[in-house]
Amino acid sequence: QKEVEQDPGPLSVPEGAIVSLNCTYSNSAFQYFMWYRQYSRKGPELLMYTYSSGNKEDGRFTAQVDKSSKYISLFIRDSQPSDSATYLCAMSPTLSQGGSEKLVFGKGTKLTVNP
Amino acid sequence: KAGVTQTPRYLIKTRGQQVTLSCSPISGHRSVSWYQQTPGQGLQFLFEYFSETQRNKGNFPGRFSGRQFSNSRSEMNVSTLELGDSALYLCASSRTGDNTEAFFGQGTRLTVV
Repeated sequence: QKEVEQDPGPLSVPEGAIVSLNCTYSNSAFQYFMWYRQYSRKGPELLMYTYSSGNKEDGRFTAQVDKSSKYISLFIRDSQPSDSATYLCAMSPTLSQGGSEKLVFGKGTKLTVNP
Repeated sequence: KAGVTQTPRYLIKTRGQQVTLSCSPISGHRSVSWYQQTPGQGLQFLFEYFSETQRNKGNFPGRFSGRQFSNSRSEMNVSTLELGDSALYLCASSRTGDNTEAFFGQGTRLTVV
């Protein structure tokens, strides 16, 4: 079983739809959960992160973590064509790359929002 | 301010050759992490450098190596290239290694033929 599983999609939705992106994981030591957005031919950019369980909201984006189920989600409300990108989840036991732990990524979900 | 700069953007090499990729971090950032991104394996951590010292290493063979200079610029080297090394190589810089403060470059697309 891979440490982090993410459905690669592709996912295609109409403009204005609510999008739900999900990842599951197996390592119970993960404490920091991140979502990145990667546009074509660009590097990933951090959208938001959460520590441990709970919800976090930032504008149209909401991140949820359910540690009991080892399941994380990213919701995008009122999706826009500019949201079309690949979304990657990532997680780590620690905040920093400087120790023995490292950031583990899902393979990414390709999202297209159609006008 | 200027972002993370990776050079070259594209590279084609032959099996058995070696390659060196460069990453110039954002000014003031002392941590540089390298990643390999492929369709099959996704984004995988290679190694992290901070103030010229390697602090963390992923599960890659010894053919993959790196270094960091006193100005924080970093290079990674892959020797004896294999077809499976074809990938997008990304670097990310941050002040301290904090993943929430890291910025990625656009990557170097390496094709091994």
